[in-house]
Amino acid sequence: GAVVSQHPSWVICKSGTSVKIECRSLDFQATTMFWYRQFPKQSLMLMATSNEGSKATYEQGVEKDKFLINHASLTLSTLTVTSAHPEDSSFYICSASDRGQASGLMSETQYFGPGTRLLVL
Amino acid sequence: GQNIDQPTEMTATEGAIVQINCTYQTSGFNGLFWYQQHAGEAPTFLSYNVLDGLEEKGRFSSFLSRSKGYSYLLLKELQMKDSASYLCAAMDSNYQLIWGAGTKLIIKP
Repeated sequence: GAVVSQHPSWVICKSGTSVKIECRSLDFQATTMFWYRQFPKQSLMLMATSNEGSKATYEQGVEKDKFLINHASLTLSTLTVTSAHPEDSSFYICSASDRGQASGLMSETQYFGPGTRLLVL
Repeated sequence: GQNIDQPTEMTATEGAIVQINCTYQTSGFNGLFWYQQHAGEAPTFLSYNVLDGLEEKGRFSSFLSRSKGYSYLLLKELQMKDSASYLCAAMDSNYQLIWGAGTKLIIKP
């Protein structure tokens, strides 16, 4: 159990375009999903936390108008990088947790998707 | 402030045992997580401790002392595939994970 998928696994786009990344919990209902960014050889940086049906909570320094997060269902969250620029190139990773323990998973544990590599030219 | 400390890098020999330490300071505490991250991949969950003591799971064990704000991950019978970064993360009273920078473990034959 506790499988999280991400799509696409990698994307190359031109500067100024928008990119949407999907994160799905395949075998459990994720009450909370998290979006992280990781630059090479650096630690994970939490960008935002989203609960199903409500607005995402963004970390300080993360532009909510640039990184649009939608968590419309208990199994799907999307991150849209709007007007992407080369400095947005990074490894974007989502994670999901089931805080209600309804699925039998260990409460509060975050299960990570495989990540999406974004390269903006 | 909230803080996680763990060594930046460690080296060990195949077949040996290695202990990766982690100290934490958080506003409240709801558990300590260990994740493994291979280069270029996303983290995978290893363990969760919320009570004092040792949790054993195969070759990997995790220990927690809440009074000392201290945890360690113990890896036995090291294999080359254990070469990875090991991330320590503490959950605060708001159920937010505070992440350490990770310990890069290098296994030598």
